[in-house]
Amino acid sequence: EIVMTQSPATLSASPGERATLSCRANQSISSNLAWYQHLPGQAPRLLIYGASTRATDIPARFSGSGSGTEFTLTISSLQSEDFAVYYCQQYNNRPPWTFGQGTKVDIK
Amino acid sequence: EVQLVESGGGLVQPGGSLRLSCAVSGFTVSNNYMSWVRQAPGKGLEWVSVIYSGGGTYYADSVKGRFTISRHNSKNTVDLQMNSLRAEDTALYYCARTRSPLSGFFDFWGQGALVTVSS
Repeated sequence: EIVMTQSPATLSASPGERATLSCRANQSISSNLAWYQHLPGQAPRLLIYGASTRATDIPARFSGSGSGTEFTLTISSLQSEDFAVYYCQQYNNRPPWTFGQGTKVDIK
Repeated sequence: EVQLVESGGGLVQPGGSLRLSCAVSGFTVSNNYMSWVRQAPGKGLEWVSVIYSGGGTYYADSVKGRFTISRHNSKNTVDLQMNSLRAEDTALYYCARTRSPLSGFFDFWGQGALVTVSS
């Protein structure tokens, strides 16, 4: 099973600031990585797939990069609605597909 | 508009069984790949199972042999039969569409069904 590790566990930032979230795989997953945003009481929302492709209707302030084992989600200018938990997920080859433990972005 | 609505959650004793159902509108489950993903209290997301359009299924090791995923094409639903439930199966269970077998990310999600395993 591929293990995904996210850092930091919590990121405190102010609206308007740039946020950089990291995700690492314990073996190469090429570009088979997705990012999700999860707000309390809501369904997770797909943000990025293929490591860098924004999903439908996702604002341009969200961007993804990386390949192999190191990946980054960047939020260029935090908006109030962006304070949430973010998960990365690998889907390299067949299941099991695995998630990172999440990064909580909260208001400083 | 795409909608996924889970039902069937509840309180069950350890060793008991429960069946979750996911009613889908906006696309046909038989032509898509459907997964269950769960979130235990205070924990992250965990993929549980997938059913492919061809009927093939996969399970996480933590549920293999106890859970069974199936679909009902006439009702456009996907079910998760959960047997031999354990306390560690307590979670919010989400139904989600999986883009494809080689693109195993989840582009549409339901709101979740809560399963509590406790005596």
